[in-house]
Amino acid sequence: EAGVAQSPRYKIIEKRQSVAFWCNPISGHATLYWYQQILGQGPKLLIQFQNNGVVDDSQLPKDRFSAERLKGVDSTLKIQPAKLEDSAVYLCASSLDPGEETQYFGPGTRLLVL
Amino acid sequence: AQKITQTQPGMFVQEKEAVTLDCTYDTSDPSYGLFWYKQPSSGEMIFLIYQGSYDQQNATEGRYSLNFQKARKSANLVISASQLGDSAMYFCAMSLSNDYKLSFGAGTTVTVRA
Repeated sequence: EAGVAQSPRYKIIEKRQSVAFWCNPISGHATLYWYQQILGQGPKLLIQFQNNGVVDDSQLPKDRFSAERLKGVDSTLKIQPAKLEDSAVYLCASSLDPGEETQYFGPGTRLLVL
Repeated sequence: AQKITQTQPGMFVQEKEAVTLDCTYDTSDPSYGLFWYKQPSSGEMIFLIYQGSYDQQNATEGRYSLNFQKARKSANLVISASQLGDSAMYFCAMSLSNDYKLSFGAGTTVTVRA
């Protein structure tokens, strides 16, 4: 069974530019999460989707971050405009459904904002 | 809000020996799940082991076991017979049964010496 796929793996941009990350969850997984992991810290949840609906985006900086999950499968996370403090690893995770607690993570996208 | 504490920023262990990673948590919710993830230098978060708050027995998965002490609110990970490939960052995480969002600790770096 294929795992969670993410692209790109690495991205370097200048501040005020925009960037987008893509995630393809494990087949059949209804719930999808985006986490931000700043160097030296544990991941922090940005947004949670159940199928194509948002369950929780309370920690998403909505003035610059946006996310969507059209058709309830793939998801994209966008930052516009990027700030220096957005430099982090962005991790996507999925779980089978709300009753399945275990989340499986992708390899992450390492973002460096200069 | 739930909180996860990992007090050991880094640990060294000799190959083939056992190592215990500490994790304490704080929540008033009676129903929750506790997780351990491994994050090698490649960045991917690898699920290791899960313990439900109502589970009577400690969880085990191969060389990994979780020492769950509910009254003390601790969920320590024990890695037996350490291998060089165990060198990584280890994160303790918790989710509540009503939303399944993961809250992570700061992590512990484990270095296995030959």
